[in-house]
Amino acid sequence: KAGVTQTPRYLIKTRGQQVTLSCSPISGHRSVSWYQQTPGQGLQFLFEYFSETQRNKGNFPGRFSGRQFSNSRSEMNVSTLELGDSALYLCASSGGAGRETQYFGPGTRLLVL
Amino acid sequence: EDQVTQSPEALRLQEGESSSLNCSYTVSGLRGLFWYRQDPGKGPEFLFTLYSAGEEKEKERLKATLTKKESFLHITAPKPEDSATYLCAVHTNDYKLSFGAGTTVTVRA
Repeated sequence: KAGVTQTPRYLIKTRGQQVTLSCSPISGHRSVSWYQQTPGQGLQFLFEYFSETQRNKGNFPGRFSGRQFSNSRSEMNVSTLELGDSALYLCASSGGAGRETQYFGPGTRLLVL
Repeated sequence: EDQVTQSPEALRLQEGESSSLNCSYTVSGLRGLFWYRQDPGKGPEFLFTLYSAGEEKEKERLKATLTKKESFLHITAPKPEDSATYLCAVHTNDYKLSFGAGTTVTVRA
């Protein structure tokens, strides 16, 4: 069974630009969660989508948004990039019923210059 | 607010020297406690899920246990390939994972 895939794996952007990251979950999984990982803050929850609906959202500004498509693939968008947005962005998938294990992708490394 | 605290921050072990990592948590409604392993530049790799106090899970040299307030990850006779950051996370009632800061384990041959 193929794992969670994320594209692109690496990105370099400049301040003020916007970026879109993509995540394809494990086949059959309907829940996709996004996390930001930085050396200072660790892994922080961004949002979770299930059946194209956002069920939960972390404490991030509105510049961070996401969506989920009918095939469970998900995208997250960051507008007006800031230097502090440089991080490893991780996507995780699960069945979606709660209490379930989340399986992570390899991440997208974003560097904002 | 949910809190997950891992200790120690870093652990340096000699090959074969067993040790334990701690994860203490304060959450409003625990739906599961998870252990992950993360290698530099990679996504977290799932190790164990624990749901209730008294539960134990084992995999090779790793054993995870759970009480009402904390979990332990025991590493028995570690090898250099066990070097990684070990992350603890709790699954709360609102479908999100709250992570601890992790314990970075270095095993010297």
